[in-house]
Amino acid sequence: KNEVEQSPQNLTAQEGEFITINCSYSVGISALHWLQQHPGGGIVSLFMLSSGKKKHGRLIATINIQEKHSSLHITASHPRDSAVYICAVRIGGGATNKLIFGTGTLLAVQP
Amino acid sequence: GAGVSQSPSNKVTEKGKDVELRCDPISGHTALYWYRQSLGQGLEFLIYFQGNSAPDKSGLPSDRFSAERTGGSVSTLTIQRTQQEDSAVYLCASSLVFLGLGEAFFGQGTRLTVV
Repeated sequence: KNEVEQSPQNLTAQEGEFITINCSYSVGISALHWLQQHPGGGIVSLFMLSSGKKKHGRLIATINIQEKHSSLHITASHPRDSAVYICAVRIGGGATNKLIFGTGTLLAVQP
Repeated sequence: GAGVSQSPSNKVTEKGKDVELRCDPISGHTALYWYRQSLGQGLEFLIYFQGNSAPDKSGLPSDRFSAERTGGSVSTLTIQRTQQEDSAVYLCASSLVFLGLGEAFFGQGTRLTVV
């Protein structure tokens, strides 16, 4: 079993729909990242969370530390949101401060 | 520069040759990570540098892989005697680590093809 599980693996939505991508993890973490990878391969960090909720534009990320679960929401989705969304958890601290990645969710938003 | 810079962006090499991949992190970032992404696969951790501490090499897949970080800045990932299964996109990221936290900024990656 992977230490970081994402669902769904693939998601197709119509423009304007509200989208939720889920991430569950089984290890103790110091932080959780949501990343976006576009078809060209470039990766952008969307959020880094250690508790609660963050919002940036149409993107909202939440984390529940007790339940070891995080969600990424996209409101009023747009075709330009089409990308792979990756959840990554940061474990340990100091010299063992590394990221473990989920396998990603491929999102396609159709016009 | 403003972001994490990797070079080359693309590298095609013959099986058995050695390759060096370079990562120039964001200035001042103490943490530097190397990952790779094979075709259709997720991101795989390779190695992590944090300041002057001994690097975490737990993700290196074999002793053909090594990495250095000179002067706490630029890092070089070296793959000796390349094999076809080494073909992947190699990504570098850096972060400013404080109390174990820090946004990770990724480079554009080096696409390595071993023929």
